[in-house]
Amino acid sequence: AQKVTQAQTEISVVEKEDVTLDCVYETRDTTYYLFWYKQPPSGELVFLIRRNSFDEQNEISGRYSWNFQKSTSSFNFTITASQVVDSAVYFCALSNSGNTPLVFGKGTRLSVIA
Amino acid sequence: NAGVTQTPKFQVLKTGQSMTLQCAQDMNHEYMSWYRQDPGMGLRLIHYSVGAGITDQGEVPNGYNVSRSTTEDFPLRLLSAAPSQTSVYFCASRGQGHSPLHFGNGTRLTVT
Repeated sequence: AQKVTQAQTEISVVEKEDVTLDCVYETRDTTYYLFWYKQPPSGELVFLIRRNSFDEQNEISGRYSWNFQKSTSSFNFTITASQVVDSAVYFCALSNSGNTPLVFGKGTRLSVIA
Repeated sequence: NAGVTQTPKFQVLKTGQSMTLQCAQDMNHEYMSWYRQDPGMGLRLIHYSVGAGITDQGEVPNGYNVSRSTTEDFPLRLLSAAPSQTSVYFCASRGQGHSPLHFGNGTRLTVT
């Protein structure tokens, strides 16, 4: 069975601090895909990144970076120099091979205080 | 290009009433799905479809029906609404090859 665990329910940081959101996943498949989504206070769900299980390279996009470690089944998300606009709920998700649904974690609510 | 369109945005029902949440996409995506979002519970899959004429249950299907007569539309039906169905509902679609899900803007449903 697939499972995604985001152990941090809520995080609060002061602007310009770095913050890491944790994501741990469980799957028996060797081929799978991991995703991060952002849900700002306005409520829409915004896709951030997709990573497949064969690509363990870390990725950086501006202030965002992702660390994928198969050895620990983790796909963590770091925001560097956080800003108030980063305040949102962040979801990690997992999809196995084939046309299978995404399984989401329960989300981490990040509050960045000015 | 509208993407995924959900209607209505808000709805209030009384217990026992029925209604249909509409979802349409214009990206020719075969895969469509419905999630509900509740505080502290994340996004939970209700039903999904991998193409016209094919539907399957997700994690929390009870109380909901779906059908997929066309590629574009995937309506979600509540036959007899219950207060436990008060939630925010998201429809999503995706293209082939594990493309990311594209979400609609959600429907906030309150059942009194």
